[in-house]
Amino acid sequence: EPEVTQTPSHQVTQMGQEVILRCVPISNHLYFYWYRQILGQKVEFLVSFYNNEISEKSEIFDDQFSVERPDGSNFTLKIRSTKLEDSAMYFCASSGKGALETQYFGPGTRLLVL
Amino acid sequence: AQSVAQPEDQVNVAEGNPLTVKCTYSVSGNPYLFWYVQYPNRGLQFLLKYITGDNLVKGSYGFEAEFNKSQTSFHLKKPSALVSDSALYFCAVRDRVSGGYNKLIFGAGTRLAVHP
Repeated sequence: EPEVTQTPSHQVTQMGQEVILRCVPISNHLYFYWYRQILGQKVEFLVSFYNNEISEKSEIFDDQFSVERPDGSNFTLKIRSTKLEDSAMYFCASSGKGALETQYFGPGTRLLVL
Repeated sequence: AQSVAQPEDQVNVAEGNPLTVKCTYSVSGNPYLFWYVQYPNRGLQFLLKYITGDNLVKGSYGFEAEFNKSQTSFHLKKPSALVSDSALYFCAVRDRVSGGYNKLIFGAGTRLAVHP
């Protein structure tokens, strides 16, 4: 069964450093998402991406964040200058064509900013 | 604004007994509702969804959920719990922004503990 994969599984970085989180969505999916889950809190939407552009973003997704689909298979989330409060589990998800399609999630990347 | 509430932080059940994990929602228009499960150190796994039609939705691993429009609820159920069902369960509603490919709004999660 196809799966969403994410790398790395864990990332530790210093405050102010740039990080890139990588995701490989399910191959025939067209819509891509990033969510995050701060320890002990809800899963929160960050951004959705379709047809090579952002279709929706949350208030969390400020100028420090960017997303890219560089090569037709990978989907990346970049945090330009990390802050302590960016420490969280970051989940990538993808879904097929159509608003009723299920979103399938990857295993997550646990980011720790020191 | 769309929202989801999971009123119980934790549910404890004996193995073999039926389980219910509660979820209530608040949406404008027709709701699209989902249940996901998170095992330790794993991602969110899709269990089932309600879009339209039959109020009783069957999903993976023997789980089912009942959509109740008058009570705005979408409780997750299983007739006979297994120890391996112990995990964190999330209810979610799709935010139906017009023209968008829509984000999920999650509840806070309910930890299910099934005891032998």
